[in-house]
Amino acid sequence: AQKVTQAQTEISVVEKEDVTLDCVYETRDTTYYLFWYKQPPSGELVFLIRRNSFDEQNEISGRYSWNFQKSTSSFNFTITASQVVDSAVYFCAYSGNTGKLIFGQGTTLQVKP
Amino acid sequence: DARVTQTPRHKVTEMGQEVTMRCQPILGHNTVFWYRQTMMQGLELLAYFRNRAPLDDSGMPKDRFSAEMPDATLATLKIQPSEPRDSAVYFCASGFPDRGSVLPGELFFGEGSRLTVL
Repeated sequence: AQKVTQAQTEISVVEKEDVTLDCVYETRDTTYYLFWYKQPPSGELVFLIRRNSFDEQNEISGRYSWNFQKSTSSFNFTITASQVVDSAVYFCAYSGNTGKLIFGQGTTLQVKP
Repeated sequence: DARVTQTPRHKVTEMGQEVTMRCQPILGHNTVFWYRQTMMQGLELLAYFRNRAPLDDSGMPKDRFSAEMPDATLATLKIQPSEPRDSAVYFCASGFPDRGSVLPGELFFGEGSRLTVL
């Protein structure tokens, strides 16, 4: 069965620090998608990125970057120069052959001023 | 501005009462998911539909929960009878698969329905 593990339950950093959120997945599917979602204190789930299993290129969007490594089944998320507004719960998620979207347990990021 | 609409946003009820949560997916989306979020369990998938047909509801307690899509513009999640352990935030999400695939594209989430069962 597919599984997503976010080993870091909580991370606390000071503003302007870089921070990496880890995500490891388990699957036997050959084709799948990986996602990151952000849940700010207001509670809504905000889509950040989707990555196809055939595309291992790293992606950068502003202060956000993602490192997908199939060899280690990891899809890590880095925030550069963190800001207080980045404080949120971040979820890694997986979708494979069944079409179901499975979430990890989430990592709570606190960025202190 | 297309969005997934969930009602009610907040519901407080007493144990044993029936609760119905409603979701209006984004027009044109053919896949609908129901999730439950609690501190202990995180985001749990309860059920999901494609083209109004239920594909998987294995995450749902069958004795008291039921999910339906009476039409393409409405998905419902019903709890009868409700129990205190059902207290959670229930999210609905909609999307559509990439062409030629069962995999979902981006899923759009509603703001959630916060249920408190006393």
